[in-house]
Amino acid sequence: KQEVTQIPAALSVPEGENLVLNCSFTDSAIYNLQWFRQDPGKGLTSLLLIQSSQREQTSGRLNASLDKSSGRSTLYIAASQPGDSATYLCAVRGSNSGYALNFGKGTSLLVTP
Amino acid sequence: GAGVSQTPSNKVTEKGKYVELRCDPISGHTALYWYRQSLGQGPEFLIYFQGTGAADDSGLPNDRFFAVRPEGSVSTLKIQRTERGDSAVYLCASSLIPNTGELFFGEGSRLTVL
Repeated sequence: KQEVTQIPAALSVPEGENLVLNCSFTDSAIYNLQWFRQDPGKGLTSLLLIQSSQREQTSGRLNASLDKSSGRSTLYIAASQPGDSATYLCAVRGSNSGYALNFGKGTSLLVTP
Repeated sequence: GAGVSQTPSNKVTEKGKYVELRCDPISGHTALYWYRQSLGQGPEFLIYFQGTGAADDSGLPNDRFFAVRPEGSVSTLKIQRTERGDSAVYLCASSLIPNTGELFFGEGSRLTVL
């Protein structure tokens, strides 16, 4: 079964810092990897989708990379803002594990003014 | 609609009661997923529909859980004889492309079983 791990579990940074969130997965046979943001008491907002054939995707201040062979992805957030405070979830869709996205437990990010 | 809509947003029920949770996916999305999220955890897969049929129900925890999508659009997750351990946020997602498409989630239905 695909296992997804996110490190760190929680992170606090001052406003303006660049930061990296890490995601690792155990089975490199994947269709794609998706990063989500979740605000307290809310649903998940899709941030970036990386297909297995891609190395990275960018949206505004966010950049996600994928190294399928090593089972790793990173989410880079540039010039962090207090509004970026949320939980960030990584999810992997494995080509050997049916149709489900397998999620990590998330990284809880706090950006302080 | 513009996004995935889930109702009710909150449901409080007593142990042993029957509950229905509804999901209205993005118009045109044929793939629909149900997930369950407990506090401090990532979402856990329950069931996947492609059109009207359940293509993968391997995540349903037991036979008290059942889901339908009779016309290939709206889906209902049904929980019989609810238990306190069923308390969680139930999330619905839809996707335009079944296997490789981006998933879009609703706000969830928070179920509390007393």
